[in-house]
Order: sequence, then C-alpha cells, then structure tokens
Amino acid sequence: EVQLVESGGGLVQPGRSLKLSCAASGFTFSSFAMAWVRQAPKKGLEWVATITSGGSNTYYPDSVKGRFTISRDNAKSTLYLQMDSLRSEDTATYYCAKWPFFAYWGQGTLVTVSS
Amino acid sequence: DIQMTQSPSLLSASVGDRVTINCKASQNINKYLNWYQQKLGEAPKLLIYNTNNLQTGIPSRFSGSGSGTDYTLTISSLQPEDFGTYFCFQHNSWPLTFGSGTKLEIK
Repeated sequence: EVQLVESGGGLVQPGRSLKLSCAASGFTFSSFAMAWVRQAPKKGLEWVATITSGGSNTYYPDSVKGRFTISRDNAKSTLYLQMDSLRSEDTATYYCAKWPFFAYWGQGTLVTVSS
Repeated sequence: DIQMTQSPSLLSASVGDRVTINCKASQNINKYLNWYQQKLGEAPKLLIYNTNNLQTGIPSRFSGSGSGTDYTLTISSLQPEDFGTYFCFQHNSWPLTFGSGTKLEIK
C-alpha cells in the first residue's frame, strides 16, 4: 500500500525558513517523480514543485521560485521541501504527491507564516 | 501560464441527477487534464487522468471527455457520497495549474 506521510509543518515568522519532509513507502520511491502541492485555508490547490525520479530536474512556479527547493533522498525514500524567505501568503497545508497524475497524496502538513 | 477556468463554482443537485462540471483552458492542453475530488479535511483523490481514463477503484458513474481547451467531468447518477469539491488540473506544460474548484452539494 502506497503511503506518504508529511511532517515538519508549524508556525514560523515571516522571513524565516522551514523544511518539510515526506516519508514514502509501499512503492519503489526512486522510480517516480514526486511533487508538493499546497492549499491555503479555504482556498484551491496550487502546485508548488516537482522533482524527477533521480533528482536531476526540478520545476517551480514563479510564486516560489528562488525561495523553495525540492529535493529527495532515494536511499531514505524521503522527499523534502526547503522553504526560505517565507511570506504570509505561503500559509497553507502542504501535500506531497506521487506522479504520475498525483494518484497518491499524503495527509498534509500545515504551515502557518505569522508574526 | 495556462489558466484553468472551472464552471460552475457551486452546484446543487439531487441524488440520481446527471451532473456535469466544465473546465476551460486558456490554450490547448492536448488532453493532459485530470480531475480530483476533495472532501473537507481530506487530501484530494484522483478520479480521471488524461481526460477520460478512470483511476482504479473509482466508480464507473464518473467519466471525462474533452479536447483542445474544453473538458468535462460527468457523474451519470449522483450518489450521496459524491459531495465535495472537484478540481481540474492541467499537466501539459509548466507551470502546472489547477482550476479554482466546483463545490458540489447534494440537495
């Protein structure tokens, strides 16, 4: 059974950093691209980052490019999201999701950016 | 960036109704269009991928169609458990983008 478990969320001040993790199990992690998707409170979904299976290619929307970094450790079956220079508009539940098609999602971890 | 415009934003329907939700892309997305259902407090669930492919375990009352810029999710006979918010999503080109969602309420 595919499982994705996010951790690392919490309350952080604007301008500070936070690193999220997503522990994967139930599939060959190193064979699949992975992504982060976020959802602000009572809002829609926003794609945040994608990383290819080997980690050599990453993709971001302009809203987080240069501030967020997606990475992975295939030996540990773990996905990461390093978030720097956080803003209030980054407040959201962050989900990790498995490609293809985002067929599997974690339960999400809440990040609140506030002073 | 490709904008995904969903309609309607709110839909109220009765059990047994045929329901359609529309998604219009700002440019051709070559059928790289997925549909997700989300219930309150839960992660989204994949229903349909690449326009018309039913995800494993999803009931056959769900179907998808479309091409070019216009896509549709159809529920042939609405069931009580189908309430929730539905999102379309294009993965034809970067940045990947979601529609704004359609909240489906059961009358």
